[in-house]
Amino acid sequence: NAGVTQTPKFQVLKTGQSMTLQCAQDMNHNSMYWYRQDPGMGLRLIYYSASEGTTDKGEVPNGYNVSRLNKREFSLRLESAAPSQTSVYFCASSEALVSSDQETQYFGPGTRLLVL
Amino acid sequence: DQQVKQNSPSLSVQEGRISILNCDYTNSMFDYFLWYKKYPAEGPTFLISISSIKDKNEDGRFTVFLNKSAKHLSLHIVPSQPGDSAVYFCAAIRAQKLVFGQGTRLTINP
Repeated sequence: NAGVTQTPKFQVLKTGQSMTLQCAQDMNHNSMYWYRQDPGMGLRLIYYSASEGTTDKGEVPNGYNVSRLNKREFSLRLESAAPSQTSVYFCASSEALVSSDQETQYFGPGTRLLVL
Repeated sequence: DQQVKQNSPSLSVQEGRISILNCDYTNSMFDYFLWYKKYPAEGPTFLISISSIKDKNEDGRFTVFLNKSAKHLSLHIVPSQPGDSAVYFCAAIRAQKLVFGQGTRLTINP
């Protein structure tokens, strides 16, 4: 079991370029999430998918789009990257949306994105 | 509006001593609280949790205490080991989402 995998590990973009961050999980989880982590800010939820075919906005969705391609894969797209999107991006998955401390979220290793 | 706050960015503790990491929250409607541990270049991993109806939960060297009247929780690690050096995030569950604190970097010195 690889758990949650993310590609790429590191990316440098110029302002205005687009890119897609890929995430896949092999735990047969229903719910998947995208977070960003900035210094001094903790992890903030960008978008999430409660189940295959559904996506919803989190706390900081502006400038991003997502696609739940199938049960395994959840991608995050930056259509026109901005320096403010420089961050570390984490994908996570869980059996279901967290309604108690029994539904643990499992995180990928992160993608470090630098927008110049 | 930072609903979950970890006011200490870093903490340094001697090996074998107790490490105490603190977390404050503002929303009294949080149902559960969790602690995650993060090593460099890795994603966070779940460590321990507590329900809002309890005041203590213990798992080996790790104990989480919840003081609802003060809206405060703490993570105690006893005894501290070098492998405990990591960033620790406090998180709360509300409306089926996790709300994270800023994290505290714990360094265990030999």
